[in-house]
Amino acid sequence: GQNIDQPTEMTATEGAIVQINCTYQTSGFNGLFWYQQHAGEAPTFLSYNVLDGLEEKGRFSSFLSRSKGYSYLLLKELQMKDSASYLCAPMDSNYQLIWGAGTKLIIKP
Amino acid sequence: GAVVSQHPSRVICKSGTSVKIECRSLDFQATTMFWYRQFPKQSLMLMATSNEGSKATYEQGVEKDKFLINHASLTLSTLTVTSAHPEDSSFYICSARAAGEVNEQFFGPGTRLTVL
Repeated sequence: GQNIDQPTEMTATEGAIVQINCTYQTSGFNGLFWYQQHAGEAPTFLSYNVLDGLEEKGRFSSFLSRSKGYSYLLLKELQMKDSASYLCAPMDSNYQLIWGAGTKLIIKP
Repeated sequence: GAVVSQHPSRVICKSGTSVKIECRSLDFQATTMFWYRQFPKQSLMLMATSNEGSKATYEQGVEKDKFLINHASLTLSTLTVTSAHPEDSSFYICSARAAGEVNEQFFGPGTRLTVL
């Protein structure tokens, strides 16, 4: 079967760094997306990894290890507005995104 | 960047009525559009995939006669919830994929449906 495993909730302090881990199992693999979703809103694109390694984009970085079925999203210099759910979504062999429930990140002052 | 709009953003209706939700790609041609539903604190659930000019492909457990999808043009797809009931109350989100771009989906802002 296909499944995603992420922590349900994480708490971090403003200005700090947090790493959100994701392990996945899919039928085939065509890359992995990370999305941010604020409460009551649709997901917004953060990153896409298709090759192993680290992709850096400003305060956000995403890492992928295809052999381990593992990815993480790294958020630096946390701001209050980063409080949101973070969704790890691998794409299977049919180019369909597989969704988990996401990780709710709570930022405290 | 690619923009997808949805209309309406919120709708409240009485039980038994039908509701139509529009999804438009504003600055690109979307050969494929996806309709998702999300209940509170749960993951996005893919309801159906629609390709322009052909019938939608529904996921297992989604009633195609209840959730009518029309993808009549390269920039517009509609989802009609027929005979809505309170259990259909949810957040409906569409996404669109451009021609030749198999990987990236662009999401609309979502529609909050409340059935009384």
